[in-house]
Amino acid sequence: AQRVTQPEKLLSVFKGAPVELKCNYSYSGSPELFWYVQYSRQRLQLLLRHISRESIKGFTADLNKGETSFHLKKPFAQEEDSAMYYCALSGASGTYKYIFGTGTRLKVLA
Amino acid sequence: DAMVIQNPRYQVTQFGKPVTLSCSQTLNHNVMYWYQQKSSQAPKLLFHYYDKDFNNEADTPDNFQSRRPNTSFCFLDIRSPGLGDAAMYLCATRGQGSYEQYFGPGTRLTVT
Repeated sequence: AQRVTQPEKLLSVFKGAPVELKCNYSYSGSPELFWYVQYSRQRLQLLLRHISRESIKGFTADLNKGETSFHLKKPFAQEEDSAMYYCALSGASGTYKYIFGTGTRLKVLA
Repeated sequence: DAMVIQNPRYQVTQFGKPVTLSCSQTLNHNVMYWYQQKSSQAPKLLFHYYDKDFNNEADTPDNFQSRRPNTSFCFLDIRSPGLGDAAMYLCATRGQGSYEQYFGPGTRLTVT
């Protein structure tokens, strides 16, 4: 079955502490993996995708095919990182469907 | 300069009374999506259009229909809303050759 699992509903960290938001997936084939973010009172927007291997707002995510994981990391959390984070996958090129995880709410405490 | 617009933002309908949600885009993207998101759950894909080619998810109830009269507009019709259809409905677009989805702000549907 195709699935995206985010085991933590809520993650609270102090400002300056490292952050890791977990994402595991189940997919037969080679998926594209994404992280989407939703800040308070804003729309859902793309944060990063694995194929670009970028660092956006200090966040990185590495696709681990052996562990079928795509965890989101940031070495030093900022208060403005507080948001809802969704992990999502899409199939290979030519597939336009997405599967989302249930999301993790990140709270960065002052 | 909103790129994906959803109207209305809040919709209240009565049990069994048909309701239509609308989405428009200024991005000229050829793929448009409708998602249903219930509280604390993942956005769930209902259907998507690639141009005029309609793709229904296998588990989308027959109660849900969609229309895309042109590139810019897409509608979600709920023929006989039940209490279980109360949710946030998200519209999104995607351009060909890109993996990024652009989301609208959503329409929160309440069924009384």
